[in-house]
Amino acid sequence: SQQGEEDPQALSIQEGENATMNCSYKTSINNLQWYRQNSGRGLVHLILIRSNEREKHSGRLRVTLDTSKKSSSLLITASRAADTASYFCATDGGFKTIFGAGTRLFVKA
Amino acid sequence: DTEVTQTPKHLVMGMTNKKSLKCEQHMGHRAMYWYKQKAKKPPELMFVYSYEKLSINESVPSRFSPECPNSSLLNLHLHALQPEDSALYLCASSQPTKSNQPQHFGDGTRLSIL
Repeated sequence: SQQGEEDPQALSIQEGENATMNCSYKTSINNLQWYRQNSGRGLVHLILIRSNEREKHSGRLRVTLDTSKKSSSLLITASRAADTASYFCATDGGFKTIFGAGTRLFVKA
Repeated sequence: DTEVTQTPKHLVMGMTNKKSLKCEQHMGHRAMYWYKQKAKKPPELMFVYSYEKLSINESVPSRFSPECPNSSLLNLHLHALQPEDSALYLCASSQPTKSNQPQHFGDGTRLSIL
């Protein structure tokens, strides 16, 4: 069963704008990760946030985690056309990584 | 360039054929994974190997047979597949711990079943 649900399913913005994607999950977690997938390619790990962390930054990425609401958000600031991709949150279940449905981001130049 | 290499990139096969997908990593990871991904869907876990032993089989049909010959290689043997098995098959590797570890993915094999 799917652990993470993401919204929006699709997002279209102009270059330079910020993009925010949300992920909700159902059970307790040790950590939550975000991945990017460009069309026709494999997934690339972006950032991991542990359950005892509330916010984490990496370059233009900002991730928040609210374990009380079982939700996370990924903010991409000053988006670029190269950020066009699908973004997935991933939560843990032992050795199993369970991916959310994903958000398809399109950044228009 | 990805650190996990999958071959072939594309594969077209008939329902009676036998073929194999290959995956190789040289990052010293001791956990390796096979995922199936349909268009516009997230990856779905198929198998997990930890220290070259099968640790998770997500009730995958027996027409898919995984093999881990050594710590760097992972194969997926295919036999008598169905048209609905057409998908992108992704291999990944990570450190084998109980909690979710970042996984490194290959670019996948796009499989089409005629």
